[in-house]
Amino acid sequence: KAGVTQTPRYLIKTRGQQVTLSCSPISGHRSVSWYQQTPGQGLQFLFEYFSETQRNKGNFPGRFSGRQFSNSRSEMNVSTLELGDSALYLCASSPELNTEAFFGQGTRLTVV
Amino acid sequence: TQLLEQSPQFLSIQEGENLTVYCNSSSVFSSLQWYRQEPGEGPVLLVTVVTGGEVKKLKRLTFQFGDARKDSSLHITAAQPGDTGLYLCAGTNAGNMLTFGGGTRLMVKP
Repeated sequence: KAGVTQTPRYLIKTRGQQVTLSCSPISGHRSVSWYQQTPGQGLQFLFEYFSETQRNKGNFPGRFSGRQFSNSRSEMNVSTLELGDSALYLCASSPELNTEAFFGQGTRLTVV
Repeated sequence: TQLLEQSPQFLSIQEGENLTVYCNSSSVFSSLQWYRQEPGEGPVLLVTVVTGGEVKKLKRLTFQFGDARKDSSLHITAAQPGDTGLYLCAGTNAGNMLTFGGGTRLMVKP
C-alpha cells in the first residue's frame, strides 16, 4: 500500500507570491490534516479535512487555505507569501477523524 | 485547549546508555501516539497506546500509557546512533484534533 505522497518536495518562492501544495493520502483514508513545522514553533496544526469538509482549523491567518477533493486528495494554498512562511509543510492521512496520523515526507517551502 | 508537554526538550547521550522521554498533560486522551522524525522527513508512527496502564514494547523501545490516560513515557534501552531523531507524542480525543507535544530531540553519540 502506497504511503502519503506530497508534491513538490522542495519549493522556492518570492515574497508576495502564492503557492499550492498537494497531498495524496493512503488509499482508503478519508481524513487529511496539514501541519507547519519550523525549528522555533515545532509542529503546528493548520487544518483537517474529512469528506471534502474542513472539520478543524488551527490558529493561522486567512492566507492559509485548503480543500479536499472527492478522491480524498487535498491541496493547501498560501497566498501573499511572507518570509516567515518558510517551513516544512506536512500532510498526514488518517482512516477516520482524530485517529492516528500517517505522514508524508513533507514539502520544504523557502520564501525569499 | 489540550496541551501536551514533552521533557526533556533535548537529550544528548552516549551509545549504550538508557533514556526516558516523558509526555504529560492535564487532559485525558482516548489514545496516544509516539512518532520519530528524522531531518527533512515526515514523522513516522512508532506506536499507539489506548488503555490506561498499557505497556507496549518495540525492540529496545518501551512505551507506557499512564493509568489516568493523561501521560506517557518512552524508554529506550541501550541507545544506538540510529535512534537519533525528534520524538513526538500526540494525543487524540473525541471531537478534537490530534494534539502534538513539542518534541524531544535525541542525539546518540557513537
